[in-house]
Amino acid sequence: QVQLQESGPGLVKPSGTLSLTCAVSGGSISSSSWWSWVRQPPGKGLEWIGEIYHSGSTNYNPSLKSRVTISVDKSKKQFSLRLSSVTAADTAVYYCARGYAEIDDWGQGTLVTVSS
Amino acid sequence: DIQMTQSPSSLSASVGDRVTITCRASQAIRNDLGWYQQKPGKAPKRLIYPASILQSGAPSRFSGGGSGTEFTLTISSLQPEDVATYYCLHHKSYPRMYTFGQGTKVEIK
Repeated sequence: QVQLQESGPGLVKPSGTLSLTCAVSGGSISSSSWWSWVRQPPGKGLEWIGEIYHSGSTNYNPSLKSRVTISVDKSKKQFSLRLSSVTAADTAVYYCARGYAEIDDWGQGTLVTVSS
Repeated sequence: DIQMTQSPSSLSASVGDRVTITCRASQAIRNDLGWYQQKPGKAPKRLIYPASILQSGAPSRFSGGGSGTEFTLTISSLQPEDVATYYCLHHKSYPRMYTFGQGTKVEIK
């Protein structure tokens, strides 16, 4: 089973850029898997942000597409999320995840708060 | 885009009760649906995919059914450890996209 670990700043200023990284261990980032980001605002439901394949191919949630960039670094066995022009509405627990059809593995999640 | 509508949004039942959660898709999605359990402060955990196949290690009191536009998650005998929020998740193959239901919070009466 693949292990996933999110890391990054827990506090981001409004209008700034949220940046998170997910470290992959216990498996190959070049396997036939898509690597996703999912978020959950406090007390609310889950929202898929987007995903990347090891080739660099990406898919994004249309509702966030204009602000999201997901990238992969195979040499470091990690993939990253950048979300620009953040507001308080982007405050959430951010999960990295792995899957092909359904989502199979999840990181533990990291809380990112947008506040000045 | 396909919308996934879960009902109810919350429920309270007694230990041993049979509980059913429904997820409706805005258009037919074959059986491309999974069910996830999320306990407070934890990441979601997959219970069922696709539609009716129980994940290895998931308790047998959980079952899934349906196809097309209507799907159900049933807990045959509710246990205290089942207190959680349950989500359905649809995966669209092309173009790839994931859509979650709004979630159903299950509590013990």
